[in-house]
Amino acid sequence: AQTVTQSQPEMSVQEAETVTLSCTYDTSESDYYLFWYKQPPSRQMILVIRQEAYKQQNATENRFSVNFQKAAKSFSLKISDSQLGDAAMYFCAYLPLNAGNNRKLIWGLGTSLAVNP
Amino acid sequence: EPEVTQTPSHQVTQMGQEVILRCVPISNHLYFYWYRQILGQKVEFLVSFYNNEISEKSEIFDDQFSVERPDGSNFTLKIRSTKLEDSAMYFCASGGGSSYNEQFFGPGTRLTVL
Repeated sequence: AQTVTQSQPEMSVQEAETVTLSCTYDTSESDYYLFWYKQPPSRQMILVIRQEAYKQQNATENRFSVNFQKAAKSFSLKISDSQLGDAAMYFCAYLPLNAGNNRKLIWGLGTSLAVNP
Repeated sequence: EPEVTQTPSHQVTQMGQEVILRCVPISNHLYFYWYRQILGQKVEFLVSFYNNEISEKSEIFDDQFSVERPDGSNFTLKIRSTKLEDSAMYFCASGGGSSYNEQFFGPGTRLTVL
């Protein structure tokens, strides 16, 4: 079964510092996408960054970058220069691409990130 | 920038009542989804919809649930007889077009069953 594991229920970081959130996944597929979503207190689900499994280059979006290790099935999120607005729940999610029209996201349990001023 | 919208933002209902949660996906998207998140728990897939039919549904999506795309723009989730355990945040998502492998989420509807 395909699963996503986020082993850190809670993390904290000082403002302006860097933090890394961990995510591992289990799959036998070779073709998939990985995502990090941010869920602030408003509970809206906001896409932060995505990574295509076929790409070796790690995705970056401004202060957000990933460390994608396909062989190790690891997909960590690094937030640089943390800001108070980064405080949120962060979810790692996996999307298999060989499932036809059944493109359901498989989610981790989330990591709650606190940013300390 | 196009976005997924959901109404209402918060719905309070009595146990046993029917509720309809509404979503307007991004207009050129072809894939539609409902997920739910019970407070403090993980996001769970409910159902996916493509080409005017359900393409996959989870074990949660039993006979009490149904989805419909009544007019080519709205995408609704109906719960026929709500239970206390249906209290959750319900997210609609859509995908397709140039963002084929991404799912864009609406702001969610908070359903409270009393």
